[in-house]
Amino acid sequence: KAGVTQTPRYLIKTRGQQVTLSCSPISGHRSVSWYQQTPGQGLQFLFEYFSETQRNKGNFPGRFSGRQFSNSRSEMNVSTLELGDSAFYLCASSSSLAGGPYEQYFGPGTRLTVT
Amino acid sequence: GQQVMQIPQYQHVQEGEDFTTYCNSSTTLSNIQWYKQRPGGHPVFLIQLVKSGEVKKQKRLTFQFGEAKKNSSLHITATQTTDVGTYFCAGSRDYKLSFGAGTTVTVRA
Repeated sequence: KAGVTQTPRYLIKTRGQQVTLSCSPISGHRSVSWYQQTPGQGLQFLFEYFSETQRNKGNFPGRFSGRQFSNSRSEMNVSTLELGDSAFYLCASSSSLAGGPYEQYFGPGTRLTVT
Repeated sequence: GQQVMQIPQYQHVQEGEDFTTYCNSSTTLSNIQWYKQRPGGHPVFLIQLVKSGEVKKQKRLTFQFGEAKKNSSLHITATQTTDVGTYFCAGSRDYKLSFGAGTTVTVRA
């Protein structure tokens, strides 16, 4: 089975711009979660999507949004980028059916740098 | 909200020695998961503990879930250079997963 894929792997954006990151989960996985990882804050949960619906949400401002498509692929969007948004963004898929969360299978991540 | 604290933040270990990293939650957990992230890599699932007092072993790694389901530990024996990385615990409650800040392990050969 192919693993979780994320695109792009690296990205440099300017403050004020917006960015969209993409995640393709493991085939058959319907849950996709997004995390922000920074050296000082560790792994911070952004949101989780299951069957195209946002099931859980972390404590991030509304500039961070996401969606999931019918094929379980997910996108995360960050609008009006700030310098503090520079981070490693990870998505993870899970075979969660009802309830959970089950073990997370992480993608390789996207390294976002905001200048 | 749910918080998962992990200590120590850093662990410098002599090759061959043992060490333990601890994970503590402010609330009772449904289950706890452990992940390992190698430098430059992404977190990789290691194990999940569900039952109170559960102990699981993976070769030199021993995972334990506390009786009250509020704490967990990972003990590594005879540390090797391949054990380098950051170990995260993640506590599950109300269908939400909260990650600890991780223990970053370095090994002195």
